[in-house]
Amino acid sequence: KAGVTQTPRYLIKTRGQQVTLSCSPISGHRSVSWYQQTPGQGLQFLFEYFSETQRNKGNFPGRFSGRQFSNSRSEMNVSTLELGDSALYLCASSLAVASSNEQFFGPGTRLTVL
Amino acid sequence: AQTVTQSQPEMSVQEAETVTLSCTYDTSESDYYLFWYKQPPSRQMILVIRQEAYKQQNATENRFSVNFQKAAKSFSLKISDSQLGDAAMYFCAYRGNNNDMRFGAGTRLTVKP
Repeated sequence: KAGVTQTPRYLIKTRGQQVTLSCSPISGHRSVSWYQQTPGQGLQFLFEYFSETQRNKGNFPGRFSGRQFSNSRSEMNVSTLELGDSALYLCASSLAVASSNEQFFGPGTRLTVL
Repeated sequence: AQTVTQSQPEMSVQEAETVTLSCTYDTSESDYYLFWYKQPPSRQMILVIRQEAYKQQNATENRFSVNFQKAAKSFSLKISDSQLGDAAMYFCAYRGNNNDMRFGAGTRLTVKP
């Protein structure tokens, strides 16, 4: 069974631009979560989607948004990029939204904002 | 809000020996899940072990075991017979009723041959 895939793996943008990251979950998984990983702040939860609906949201500004499609694939969008948005963005999928469900992580997209 | 604290930024262990990584958390919930994740250099994060808060028995997965002390809100990871492939960042994580995962800052484990 293929794992979680994220595209692109690396991205370089400039301040003020916007970016869209994509995540394809493991087949059969309907929940997708997004995390931001930085050396200073560590791993922070962005949001979680299940059945095309946002079920949970972390403490990030409105510039960060996401969506999920009917095939469970998810995208996250960051508008008006700031230097501090440079990070590794991780996507994780699980069967459903439940505390007990194991999350399977993708390799991440490394975003650099210049 | 729930917080997860890993007080050891770095740890080192000799190959074949045992090492314990510490984790404490703060919560007012009674039912939740705790996880240890491993993130090898430039590789994907993988689940090492999971503990359900309402289960008193400590979880074990081969060479990995936890010491879960619910009253003390402590969740340490013991790695026995350490191998070179165990070298990685280890993250302790908490997931409660609102389902968002809270991670600790991580502990970088070095395994010396």
